[in-house]
Amino acid sequence: GAGVSQSPSNKVTEKGKDVELRCDPISGHTALYWYRQSLGQGLEFLIYFQGNSAPDKSGLPSDRFSAERTGGSVSTLTIQRTQQEDSAVYLCASSQGGTGPSFGAGTRLSVL
Amino acid sequence: AQSVTQLDSQVPVFEEAPVELRCNYSSSVSVYLFWYVQYPNQGLQLLLKYLSGSTLVKGINGFEAEFNKSQTSFHLRKPSVHISDTAEYFCAVSEGGAGNNRKLIWGLGTSLAVNP
Repeated sequence: GAGVSQSPSNKVTEKGKDVELRCDPISGHTALYWYRQSLGQGLEFLIYFQGNSAPDKSGLPSDRFSAERTGGSVSTLTIQRTQQEDSAVYLCASSQGGTGPSFGAGTRLSVL
Repeated sequence: AQSVTQLDSQVPVFEEAPVELRCNYSSSVSVYLFWYVQYPNQGLQLLLKYLSGSTLVKGINGFEAEFNKSQTSFHLRKPSVHISDTAEYFCAVSEGGAGNNRKLIWGLGTSLAVNP
């Protein structure tokens, strides 16, 4: 079946602009995660959605970052007033039960 | 607090040699354990997982891992590596519970470089 889909695959933006990154999880997966991976670094947790529960936003680095998940499915990560340090690969993953998250291919964000 | 430590940031090894990538975690409750692999310029792929049952878990591409509760470890092993195993390997832990999804805690990764 279809895996986790992220769009766009690449995004180049200018400093100060807002960007939206989209994630389509696997159908039926109740958990959805956003991570950030910088060059040569591990995975940095950003936000976690589980069903209808309040999301765990503890990983969002600043109030410029926000995310929502509509109808328990598609999620959008928004970064306002982008900065150069926001440049990274943004990964989305979804899971159901204890099966281990399935990851999308990521969105590579470059802030000039 | 829950944490994951991958003890080696880089592991160079010759082709056909055995390899062990080490992972230790800290948690006071039952856990689910995962290893993921990220090939160059690709996304993360689940290699294997431990949820319950046998402590020796076999995954894809000839990898296996053993859960050691007393040592809080989940080391990844392969008896004979190939050039194509060159990749970044990530260990991850979540506090378990039947039917529950939990936020994963990730190690910083181990870069495996297989040389001819």
